[in-house]
Amino acid sequence: LAKTTQPISMDSYEGQEVNITCSHNNIATNDYITWYQQFPSQGPRFIIQGYKTKVTNEVASLFIPADRKSSTLSLPRVSLSDTAVYYCLVGDILGGATNKLIFGTGTLLAVQP
Amino acid sequence: NAGVTQTPKFQVLKTGQSMTLQCAQDMNHEYMSWYRQDPGMGLRLIHYSVGAGITDQGEVPNGYNVSRSTTEDFPLRLLSAAPSQTSVYFCASSTPSGGVETQYFGPGTRLLVL
Repeated sequence: LAKTTQPISMDSYEGQEVNITCSHNNIATNDYITWYQQFPSQGPRFIIQGYKTKVTNEVASLFIPADRKSSTLSLPRVSLSDTAVYYCLVGDILGGATNKLIFGTGTLLAVQP
Repeated sequence: NAGVTQTPKFQVLKTGQSMTLQCAQDMNHEYMSWYRQDPGMGLRLIHYSVGAGITDQGEVPNGYNVSRSTTEDFPLRLLSAAPSQTSVYFCASSTPSGGVETQYFGPGTRLLVL
């Protein structure tokens, strides 16, 4: 399972775009990159998942360079309610292996008014 | 759909007591997992199951037992509680869907072992 490295914390202001980068130098060919969000006293919630290039959904965008050794979660125009811990997970999710992905300590994003 | 439900929400145990944390899902997901989360830490996988009758150990299985007799339920048993098992426990379920897989997490059970 690929090890990931992300900043421990980040600060932002409402309305700004926030980019959280995750390093995964030993990512394997079959590995996907998945990001989760966790609010205090709640379970993590899926945000976005990708394999290469760019993925966008209604919540965020995920940018993955050609070498796939890192990925960047982009949150457009954050609000106070985006204050949470964001986890980057890397692993082979095919065949239901999602439940064997490893959560690191994540990035605590603090959004201020 | 209720999603993933966990009971109880809170529990206080004395050292040496046993208990079962309940987890149920109504999404017909094949895969279910148990995690623990200690303060300021990420989630660590305790046990997981890829289908009824099939379970396997995760990263931190010692002191816990699981069974999967139905698709819907995946209880976690603490055999003899220890203060080191004080944590928040999350249950999750997942299933492959067009190559994009996600886990759905329950609200968690907060356990304090005295």
